[in-house]
Amino acid sequence: AQKITQTQPGMFVQEKEAVTLDCTYDTSDPSYGLFWYKQPSSGEMIFLIYQGSYDQQNATEGRYSLNFQKARKSANLVISASQLGDSAMYFCAMREIGYNQGGKLIFGQGTELSVKP
Amino acid sequence: DTGVSQNPRHKITKRGQNVTFRCDPISEHNRLYWYRQTLGQGPEFLTYFQNEAQLEKSRLLSDRFSAERPKGSFSTLEIQRTEQGDSAMYLCASSPGQVETQYFGPGTRLLVL
Repeated sequence: AQKITQTQPGMFVQEKEAVTLDCTYDTSDPSYGLFWYKQPSSGEMIFLIYQGSYDQQNATEGRYSLNFQKARKSANLVISASQLGDSAMYFCAMREIGYNQGGKLIFGQGTELSVKP
Repeated sequence: DTGVSQNPRHKITKRGQNVTFRCDPISEHNRLYWYRQTLGQGPEFLTYFQNEAQLEKSRLLSDRFSAERPKGSFSTLEIQRTEQGDSAMYLCASSPGQVETQYFGPGTRLLVL
């Protein structure tokens, strides 16, 4: 069965420093996608970054990068040069892409990131 | 693109009442998903549509829940005879197809008293 595990309920980081948020996943489907979303206190889920299971290189989007280690089934999010506005909940999610898969996302429990000035 | 919109943003109701939420996806997005998020948890899948067809429903979607997408554009999620356990954030997302990124709306926060 698909599963996403985020083992860090809360993280603190100093402004301008880098932080890594952990995510491990479990699936038997060889085709899948991994996502990170940010959820501020307002509640909206904001898409950050995507990694496909067959992508050879780690995904990057501005200050966000995804450390994809397929053999270890991990997809950690790295945020460089943290800003106060990065304080939010962060969710890792997975979607199986195989035949007859609906494309629904399976989410982890989330990590609450607090950026200190 | 104006983004995914949801209405209302907040709803307070008494146990036993019916409520209906609306989601307007990004235009031309064929897929529309509903998720439910309770406090301290990640979102959980409820159901999804491809155009007007409802193709999958989670076991979380009891008989009191019904969703429609009559013309393949906006969607409604109705909860009949609400219970206190229905209190949650209801999130809608849309995507052009199965493999593309899902973009979420701001959600509807439901509180059942």
